[in-house]
Amino acid sequence: RKEVEQDPGPFNVPEGATVAFNCTYSNSASQSFFWYRQDCRKEPKLLMSVYSSGNEDGRFTAQLNRASQYISLLIRDSKLSDSATYLCVAVGANNLFFGTGTRLTVIP
Amino acid sequence: GAGVSQSPSNKVTEKGKDVELRCDPISGHTALYWYRQSLGQGLEFLIYFQGNSAPDKSGLPSDRFSAERTGGSVSTLTIQRTQQEDSAVYLCASSLRRGNTEAFFGQGTRLTVV
Repeated sequence: RKEVEQDPGPFNVPEGATVAFNCTYSNSASQSFFWYRQDCRKEPKLLMSVYSSGNEDGRFTAQLNRASQYISLLIRDSKLSDSATYLCVAVGANNLFFGTGTRLTVIP
Repeated sequence: GAGVSQSPSNKVTEKGKDVELRCDPISGHTALYWYRQSLGQGLEFLIYFQGNSAPDKSGLPSDRFSAERTGGSVSTLTIQRTQQEDSAVYLCASSLRRGNTEAFFGQGTRLTVV
């Protein structure tokens, strides 16, 4: 079983739509979680950290549910520039466990 | 300051040759990770360095792969006797310390074995 599981998508949504991605992790000892964004043929870039209390950054909201061991990312009012692959990450003892990524395409 | 720097950005090599990939982490970052990513695939963990501790080499796919980190800063990933299946983007990341801090990636080295 993979440490982090994500729906690979693709998600194709119209501009202005709200889209949500979920990610599950298997190691209950993981303490820190992040969402990264990766554009085609580029390196992953940190999008936001995920806190137990939930956190918001503009149109992006991240939530953590420890009881169910899942992480979510909500994007409101999608822009064309949001098209990318979104990777969730659970921090282990010696590793950052990455999901395989969810591909999002925002359509005009 | 500068971000994570990797070199070369692109490397084409013949099957059977050895290659060295370099990563210069963000100054002051004690944790350093190597990953590789094949086209259209997720990130595959290779190796992790934390300060002066013994590295976690559990992700290295074969004994042709090795890495070192000198003086707790620059790291070199070496692939001996390259094979075509080694073709991928090799990504290095560093973080301030192990645990709760986010990691920052270099732009990667695109390795092509012909």
